[in-house]
Amino acid sequence: DAGVTQSPTHLIKTRGQQVTLRCSPKSGHDTVSWYQQALGQGPQFIFQYYEEEERQRGNFPDRFSGHQFPNYSSELNVNALLLGDSALYLCASSLRQGARDTQYFGPGTRLTVL
Amino acid sequence: AQSVAQPEDQVNVAEGNPLTVKCTYSVSGNPYLFWYVQYPNRGLQFLLKYITGDNLVKGSYGFEAEFNKSQTSFHLKKPSALVSDSALYFCAVRDTDSNYQLIWGAGTKLIIKP
Repeated sequence: DAGVTQSPTHLIKTRGQQVTLRCSPKSGHDTVSWYQQALGQGPQFIFQYYEEEERQRGNFPDRFSGHQFPNYSSELNVNALLLGDSALYLCASSLRQGARDTQYFGPGTRLTVL
Repeated sequence: AQSVAQPEDQVNVAEGNPLTVKCTYSVSGNPYLFWYVQYPNRGLQFLLKYITGDNLVKGSYGFEAEFNKSQTSFHLKKPSALVSDSALYFCAVRDTDSNYQLIWGAGTKLIIKP
Protein backbone atom coordinates (compact mmCIF):
# COMPACT_ATOMS: atom_id res chain seq x y z
CA ASP A 1 0.00 0.00 0.00
CA ALA A 2 1.72 3.18 -1.20
CA GLY A 3 1.96 6.02 1.23
CA VAL A 4 1.88 9.70 0.40
CA THR A 5 4.29 10.56 -2.40
CA GLN A 6 5.65 13.94 -3.40
CA SER A 7 7.66 15.20 -6.34
CA PRO A 8 10.18 16.49 -6.90
CA THR A 9 12.39 15.72 -3.91
CA HIS A 10 14.49 18.84 -4.29
CA LEU A 11 14.10 22.00 -6.32
CA ILE A 12 16.22 25.08 -6.82
CA LYS A 13 14.65 28.27 -8.19
CA THR A 14 15.55 31.93 -8.40
CA ARG A 15 13.59 34.87 -7.04
CA GLY A 16 10.55 35.80 -9.10
CA GLN A 17 10.13 32.38 -10.65
CA GLN A 18 7.14 30.13 -10.26
CA VAL A 19 7.12 26.56 -8.93
CA THR A 20 4.69 23.63 -8.93
CA LEU A 21 4.91 20.83 -6.37
CA ARG A 22 2.95 17.61 -6.66
CA CYS A 23 1.41 15.19 -4.20
CA SER A 24 -0.32 11.82 -4.47
CA PRO A 25 -2.32 10.86 -1.37
CA LYS A 26 -2.24 7.56 0.45
CA SER A 27 -4.48 4.97 -1.18
CA GLY A 28 -8.10 5.48 -0.13
CA HIS A 29 -7.60 9.04 1.12
CA ASP A 30 -9.59 11.91 -0.35
CA THR A 31 -8.29 14.97 1.52
CA VAL A 32 -4.96 16.69 0.99
CA SER A 33 -3.33 19.39 3.12
CA TRP A 34 -0.16 21.36 2.43
CA TYR A 35 2.30 22.66 5.00
CA GLN A 36 5.45 24.79 4.88
CA GLN A 37 8.24 23.89 7.29
CA ALA A 38 11.07 26.40 7.61
CA LEU A 39 14.38 25.18 8.97
CA GLY A 40 14.22 24.62 12.72
CA GLN A 41 10.49 25.28 12.98
CA GLY A 42 7.25 23.38 13.11
CA PRO A 43 5.07 23.10 10.02
CA GLN A 44 2.74 25.96 9.08
CA PHE A 45 -0.62 25.13 7.48
CA ILE A 46 -1.05 26.50 3.96
CA PHE A 47 -4.40 25.04 2.85
CA GLN A 48 -6.54 21.93 2.59
CA TYR A 49 -8.34 20.46 -0.42
CA TYR A 50 -11.37 18.23 -0.35
CA GLU A 51 -13.68 17.38 -3.25
CA GLU A 52 -11.46 19.49 -5.52
CA GLU A 53 -12.11 22.66 -3.53
CA GLU A 54 -9.98 24.66 -1.11
CA ARG A 55 -11.75 24.16 2.22
CA GLN A 56 -9.54 26.04 4.64
CA ARG A 57 -6.54 28.31 4.29
CA GLY A 58 -3.80 29.37 6.65
CA ASN A 59 -2.08 32.75 6.80
CA PHE A 60 -0.37 32.61 3.40
CA PRO A 61 -0.57 35.16 0.57
CA ASP A 62 -2.39 34.60 -2.70
CA ARG A 63 0.95 33.76 -4.33
CA PHE A 64 0.31 30.32 -2.88
CA SER A 65 -2.40 28.47 -4.77
CA GLY A 66 -3.39 24.88 -5.26
CA HIS A 67 -5.49 22.40 -7.06
CA GLN A 68 -6.94 18.97 -6.44
CA PHE A 69 -7.66 16.59 -9.28
CA PRO A 70 -10.49 14.02 -9.58
CA ASN A 71 -8.04 11.25 -8.57
CA TYR A 72 -7.41 13.20 -5.31
CA SER A 73 -3.83 14.13 -6.19
CA SER A 74 -2.89 17.74 -5.62
CA GLU A 75 -0.56 20.50 -6.73
CA LEU A 76 0.84 23.45 -4.83
CA ASN A 77 1.81 26.46 -6.93
CA VAL A 78 3.90 29.35 -5.69
CA ASN A 79 4.29 32.45 -7.85
CA ALA A 80 6.82 35.28 -7.65
CA LEU A 81 9.15 33.32 -5.40
CA LEU A 82 10.86 35.10 -2.52
CA LEU A 83 13.98 34.07 -0.64
CA GLY A 84 11.75 33.46 2.38
CA ASP A 85 9.84 30.77 0.49
CA SER A 86 12.83 28.45 0.91
CA ALA A 87 11.53 25.60 3.05
CA LEU A 88 10.44 21.98 3.16
CA TYR A 89 6.95 21.67 1.70
CA LEU A 90 4.95 18.81 3.15
CA CYS A 91 1.83 17.22 1.80
CA ALA A 92 -0.47 15.26 4.09
CA SER A 93 -3.48 13.14 3.26
CA SER A 94 -6.36 11.88 5.37
CA LEU A 95 -9.30 9.57 4.93
CA ARG A 96 -11.80 12.32 5.53
CA GLN A 97 -11.88 16.02 6.10
CA GLY A 98 -12.74 15.70 9.78
CA ALA A 99 -10.76 17.25 12.59
CA ARG A 100 -10.43 13.85 14.25
CA ASP A 101 -8.82 12.21 11.27
CA THR A 102 -5.10 11.51 11.25
CA GLN A 103 -3.01 13.18 8.59
CA TYR A 104 -0.27 11.10 6.99
CA PHE A 105 2.69 12.94 5.55
CA GLY A 106 4.85 12.52 2.51
CA PRO A 107 8.64 12.93 2.57
CA GLY A 108 8.42 16.55 1.44
CA THR A 109 9.89 18.71 -1.30
CA ARG A 110 12.89 20.82 -0.34
CA LEU A 111 12.61 24.17 -2.16
CA THR A 112 15.61 26.47 -2.28
CA VAL A 113 15.14 29.99 -3.65
CA LEU A 114 18.33 31.81 -4.67
CA ALA B 1 -6.29 31.49 19.33
CA GLN B 2 -4.95 27.98 19.32
CA SER B 3 -1.34 27.41 20.30
CA VAL B 4 1.05 24.64 21.25
CA ALA B 5 4.15 24.95 23.39
CA GLN B 6 7.02 22.51 23.59
CA PRO B 7 9.07 24.09 26.37
CA GLU B 8 12.26 22.10 25.77
CA ASP B 9 14.29 22.58 22.60
CA GLN B 10 16.28 19.45 23.40
CA VAL B 11 15.96 16.48 25.75
CA ASN B 12 18.89 14.19 26.53
CA VAL B 13 18.26 10.71 27.92
CA ALA B 14 20.49 7.69 28.48
CA GLU B 15 19.54 4.51 26.63
CA GLY B 16 17.28 2.32 28.75
CA ASN B 17 16.00 5.20 30.87
CA PRO B 18 12.43 6.51 30.66
CA LEU B 19 11.86 9.57 28.51
CA THR B 20 9.33 12.41 28.56
CA VAL B 21 8.81 15.08 25.90
CA LYS B 22 6.54 17.86 27.12
CA CYS B 23 3.67 19.57 25.33
CA THR B 24 1.11 22.10 26.54
CA TYR B 25 -1.71 23.55 24.50
CA SER B 26 -4.27 26.33 24.41
CA VAL B 27 -7.56 25.95 22.54
CA SER B 28 -11.01 27.46 22.85
CA GLY B 29 -12.91 24.20 22.47
CA ASN B 30 -12.14 20.54 23.03
CA PRO B 31 -8.64 19.61 21.88
CA TYR B 32 -7.65 16.92 19.47
CA LEU B 33 -3.97 16.24 20.14
CA PHE B 34 -1.33 14.53 18.02
CA TRP B 35 2.32 13.53 18.25
CA TYR B 36 4.56 13.11 15.23
CA VAL B 37 8.24 12.22 14.83
CA GLN B 38 10.57 13.52 12.14
CA TYR B 39 13.87 11.92 11.21
CA PRO B 40 16.55 13.96 9.35
CA ASN B 41 15.50 14.91 5.82
CA ARG B 42 12.26 12.97 6.19
CA GLY B 43 8.59 13.76 6.45
CA LEU B 44 6.54 13.47 9.62
CA GLN B 45 5.49 10.09 10.96
CA PHE B 46 2.33 9.76 13.05
CA LEU B 47 2.87 8.33 16.55
CA LEU B 48 -0.44 8.69 18.39
CA LYS B 49 -3.46 10.90 18.98
CA TYR B 50 -5.99 11.79 21.67
CA ILE B 51 -9.55 12.43 20.58
CA THR B 52 -11.69 11.41 23.54
CA GLY B 53 -11.94 8.71 26.19
CA ASP B 54 -9.03 7.22 28.12
CA ASN B 55 -6.48 9.86 29.07
CA LEU B 56 -3.58 7.46 28.46
CA VAL B 57 -3.04 6.88 24.75
CA LYS B 58 -0.74 4.19 23.39
CA GLY B 59 0.94 4.57 20.03
CA SER B 60 3.64 3.30 17.72
CA TYR B 61 7.14 2.13 18.72
CA GLY B 62 6.22 1.80 22.42
CA PHE B 63 5.34 5.47 22.88
CA GLU B 64 2.41 6.66 24.95
CA ALA B 65 1.01 10.03 25.95
CA GLU B 66 -1.11 11.25 28.81
CA PHE B 67 -3.82 13.85 28.31
CA ASN B 68 -4.28 16.12 31.33
CA LYS B 69 -7.16 18.54 30.85
CA SER B 70 -6.59 20.53 34.04
CA GLN B 71 -2.95 21.16 33.17
CA THR B 72 -3.68 21.44 29.42
CA SER B 73 -0.83 19.05 28.75
CA PHE B 74 -0.17 16.08 26.49
CA HIS B 75 3.29 14.77 27.37
CA LEU B 76 4.88 12.00 25.30
CA LYS B 77 6.49 9.15 27.23
CA LYS B 78 8.35 5.90 26.76
CA PRO B 79 9.41 3.56 29.57
CA SER B 80 12.79 2.61 28.09
CA ALA B 81 14.55 4.75 25.49
CA LEU B 82 16.38 3.37 22.47
CA VAL B 83 19.19 5.09 20.56
CA SER B 84 16.98 4.80 17.48
CA ASP B 85 14.39 7.05 19.19
CA SER B 86 16.72 10.00 18.59
CA ALA B 87 14.77 12.37 16.35
CA LEU B 88 12.70 15.56 16.29
CA TYR B 89 9.29 15.28 17.97
CA PHE B 90 6.31 17.54 17.25
CA CYS B 91 3.10 18.02 19.17
CA ALA B 92 0.07 19.35 17.26
CA VAL B 93 -3.50 20.33 18.15
CA ARG B 94 -6.87 21.02 16.55
CA ASP B 95 -10.02 22.27 18.27
CA THR B 96 -13.67 21.81 17.25
CA ASP B 97 -14.90 19.66 14.45
CA SER B 98 -14.97 22.55 11.99
CA ASN B 99 -11.33 23.54 12.21
CA TYR B 100 -9.21 21.26 10.08
CA GLN B 101 -5.75 22.75 10.29
CA LEU B 102 -3.17 21.37 12.66
CA ILE B 103 -1.36 23.89 14.87
CA TRP B 104 2.17 22.73 15.64
CA GLY B 105 4.72 23.19 18.36
CA ALA B 106 8.27 24.19 17.48
CA GLY B 107 9.56 20.67 18.06
CA THR B 108 11.80 18.99 20.63
CA LYS B 109 15.04 17.31 19.64
CA LEU B 110 15.39 14.03 21.52
CA ILE B 111 18.90 12.65 21.91
CA ILE B 112 19.35 9.17 23.34
CA LYS B 113 22.91 8.43 24.42
CA PRO B 114 24.25 4.84 24.49
